[in-house]
Amino acid sequence: DAGITQSPRHKVTETGTPVTLRCHQTENHRYMYWYRQDPGHGLRLIHYSYGVKDTDKGEVSDGYSVSRSKTEDFLLTLESATSSQTSVYFCAISEGGLAGSYNEQFFGPGTRLTVL
Amino acid sequence: GQQVMQIPQYQHVQEGEDFTTYCNSSTTLSNIQWYKQRPGGHPVFLIQLVKSGEVKKQKRLTFQFGEAKKNSSLHITATQTTDVGTYFCAGQEGGADGLTFGKGTHLIIQP
Repeated sequence: DAGITQSPRHKVTETGTPVTLRCHQTENHRYMYWYRQDPGHGLRLIHYSYGVKDTDKGEVSDGYSVSRSKTEDFLLTLESATSSQTSVYFCAISEGGLAGSYNEQFFGPGTRLTVL
Repeated sequence: GQQVMQIPQYQHVQEGEDFTTYCNSSTTLSNIQWYKQRPGGHPVFLIQLVKSGEVKKQKRLTFQFGEAKKNSSLHITATQTTDVGTYFCAGQEGGADGLTFGKGTHLIIQP
């Protein structure tokens, strides 16, 4: 498996509290992604990064923010968690992002977040 | 925006039977990728198809990319219990960063 870790692996929090999830890679890949996975919805892209300090929104970005101050770390923040953000969150990395540029994605182990 | 539809959502088979999942995109794709996720695990990359009409094989798995580059399929011959999991297709349009994932097909195998 690619060198990707996520922390924490499990978290239970209360509505209205801020939450930060961390993704760390040792592969020096340029692209990093945050997805959420919910039953019946598959994998949905929240935000992604194409370099240090370079980020963009995905399909379901409302209520989430991200930061990437170093190549190896990509943080996902829920400013004020809601019950609808209860989900499994996956981080992924790829060398390239555009088609034909080594863009296969390698996923981390996931973080299970429960918002009560 | 781009949509990727995948069917069926669930497939129950007897061990030894064949299995096929289909993927259709609303737009023409530059490439399509397939991933497998075991229960409780994370998605794992299987293969990428790039060329129109491309067919690739990995042991009992056969992947096809349609001539119009808008559809794809994954066929597993003689399923085994180790094939259990969810299979996702993920398509990419030219010039776009990243992939759009289908909702996946859950393969359930009865011994």
